[in-house]
Amino acid sequence: QVQLQESGPGLVKPSETLSLTCSVSGDSVNSDNFYWSWIRQTPEKGLEWIAYVYKSGSTRYNPSLKSRVTISMDTSNNQFSLSLSSVTAADTAVYYCARDYFDSSGLTWFDPWGQGTLVTVSS
Amino acid sequence: SSELTQDPSVSVAFGQTVKITCQGDSLRAYYASWYQQKPGQAPILVIFGKNNRPSGIPDRFSGSTSGDTASLTIAGAQAEDEADYYCSSRDYNGNHLGVFGGGTKLTVL
Repeated sequence: QVQLQESGPGLVKPSETLSLTCSVSGDSVNSDNFYWSWIRQTPEKGLEWIAYVYKSGSTRYNPSLKSRVTISMDTSNNQFSLSLSSVTAADTAVYYCARDYFDSSGLTWFDPWGQGTLVTVSS
Repeated sequence: SSELTQDPSVSVAFGQTVKITCQGDSLRAYYASWYQQKPGQAPILVIFGKNNRPSGIPDRFSGSTSGDTASLTIAGAQAEDEADYYCSSRDYNGNHLGVFGGGTKLTVL
C-alpha cells in the first residue's frame, strides 16, 4: 500500500529555515493522477494546508505562507520536500505530508497521510 | 470565501446517529472530504466525493451535500468513533488551494 514518511529536524531556531522531506513508497511522485501536499497542525489553528507540487513542477502555496515556503520534488528518490524560511514560534506544529487528489468534477481528497513530525521552533 | 465552518463539538449517545456539518462557499464547487483523527495519530480519510468510503471504513459512515453545506453522518455511533473530524475542500476561486474546517470533536456518551 501507499505509505508516506516525513523526516527532518525536530528543532529549528527562530529566523532559520525549516526543511522537511517526505519519502513515498507504493506510488510514484511522478504519477499523472496525484499531487503531493504538505499540511501542518497546531492546537490553535487546527489543520492548515501549506502547499502542493505536481510532477510537471507545478506548485501552489497557501497565500498566508507563500512568501516563506518552497515545495519541490525529487523524482529520482521518490520524495518531495518543504522549506519554510524565517521561522518563528508560530511555525511550531506537527507537519504532515499527504498524497493529494483533485479533478474537474469537484472530487478532492488527501490520502494517505504520513505519520507526522513535530517541529519545534525554539532557541 | 474559502473558509469551512464546523461546530467545535458534538456529542452522541452510544448507538445513536449523529450528523457533523461543514459549511462554506467552496462546497458549491468541490465535494467535501472528511477525516477522522484520534489523539496522537494522523488524520485518516473516511468519506470523499458524493458519498464514498475508502476501503476499511465502516458503512456506518456516510456523507452528503446540500448547497454550501456538507454533512458526515455516523449511524449507530460506537465508542471507537470518538475523535476529531475535519472537513476539507479546495478554494472557491479555482486555484485548487487546499482548505480545512476547524474540526469537530465528537464525544460518544
